Amino acid sequence: DAKTTQPNSMESNEEEPVHLPCNHSTISGTDYIHWYRQLPSQGPEYVIHGLTSNVNNRMASLAIAEDRKSSTLILHRATLRDAAVYYCILSLGGGADGLTFGKGTHLIIQP
Amino acid sequence: KAGVTQTPRYLIKTRGQQVTLSCSPISGHRSVSWYQQTPGQGLQFLFEYFSETQRNKGNFPGRFSGRQFSNSRSEMNVSTLELGDSALYLCASSLEGLPRGKQFFGPGTRLTVL
Repeated sequence: DAKTTQPNSMESNEEEPVHLPCNHSTISGTDYIHWYRQLPSQGPEYVIHGLTSNVNNRMASLAIAEDRKSSTLILHRATLRDAAVYYCILSLGGGADGLTFGKGTHLIIQP
Repeated sequence: KAGVTQTPRYLIKTRGQQVTLSCSPISGHRSVSWYQQTPGQGLQFLFEYFSETQRNKGNFPGRFSGRQFSNSRSEMNVSTLELGDSALYLCASSLEGLPRGKQFFGPGTRLTVL
């Protein structure tokens, strides 16, 4: 199983950038890197995903290392509403394992 | 577009009973995936249906089954309920399906087994 490693928790200040790291040293060439977040009492929410190149959308940026063994989710300007559990997930190329969620990183935003 | 809807939102059952949960995907989405979330195990993948066919399956016993209808609505059934089946059951719909597709999650069904 391709697995990911994330810090249990991180803390940041409001209106500052946040860099959430994820290690996935056993990633294979066809694995997609997905990020989802889950706010309290809600279902997970898609944030961003990519395969090899860095990706940007209105919510965040995804920076993927050249060897693809790690990636970083970047929230450019954190708000209190960004406080959530962030999951870095590998979706196997064949889809056989679905999305395998780990423990995620609990992001705390200080006002 | 309306989001993913799940019914019922809350359910209480007793051990040995069976339960059916329903999921209506976003209009146009052909893929529906089901997940179980518990405090101890986190989010675990149950199965994915795409165009009425089960395409992927997680590591759960045969008591957990599902199906998808021609309108893409999906149901999940758990037979012979055990206390450990108490969890939040989430479904997610996707246009492309796994592994590339962006998953849109519903609010979940909270199942309590007594």
